[in-house]
Amino acid sequence: DTGVSQDPRHKITKRGQNVTFRCDPISEHNRLYWYRQTLGQGPEFLTYFQNEAQLEKSRLLSDRFSAERPKGSFSTLEIQRTEQGDSAMYLCASSPPPGQGQTYNEQFFGPGTRLTVL
Amino acid sequence: SQQGEEDPQALSIQEGENATMNCSYKTSINNLQWYRQNSGRGLVHLILIRSNEREKHSGRLRVTLDTSKKSSSLLITASRAADTASYFCATDAPDRGSTLGRLYFGRGTQLTVWP
Repeated sequence: DTGVSQDPRHKITKRGQNVTFRCDPISEHNRLYWYRQTLGQGPEFLTYFQNEAQLEKSRLLSDRFSAERPKGSFSTLEIQRTEQGDSAMYLCASSPPPGQGQTYNEQFFGPGTRLTVL
Repeated sequence: SQQGEEDPQALSIQEGENATMNCSYKTSINNLQWYRQNSGRGLVHLILIRSNEREKHSGRLRVTLDTSKKSSSLLITASRAADTASYFCATDAPDRGSTLGRLYFGRGTQLTVWP
């Protein structure tokens, strides 16, 4: 399977603990995105990488959240001192470099990591 | 936040019927995309329509875009039980410098197709 993969698929943790999620994008995709989705809502943007550079961050990404993409390949999203409000599905997506003159970005999503904070 | 809003929130139809979902958005866009999400899963890209296009087809899907009304519709013809899912529209926001960056999603339409 050459799609976007995420690990783990499910994570249950106690409030105050740190958690880390991993995303492996499609290999030739240089753009990687993290979104968060709560029940009954659409995905909300968290952050975006182009290669290893973090180009955009949402205000949702508080100082407890940090994302990295050290070699421009896989990415990790860490949440420190988790709170019950962090319970959500965390989605990763990737997209290829745009063709010349293209301004659109079809994003390919992974299956998500469902986080439950008790 | 700048989000698309889908309408209706929920739609229930019989197999073989057509399903129409609408999306409204707030700002100028370069493109609008529709995604499908089965329960508890990731999103699957269905179709992208550019701001200079008015209609696009892909198999049983037909998407229209009216930039003057800032709205789009997704039509699924001859629906099947397997089409049961949530459908989201997503837009970029070039006025905010977010080309090729974040997408803004609505809350989605939950489509149920009964056999």
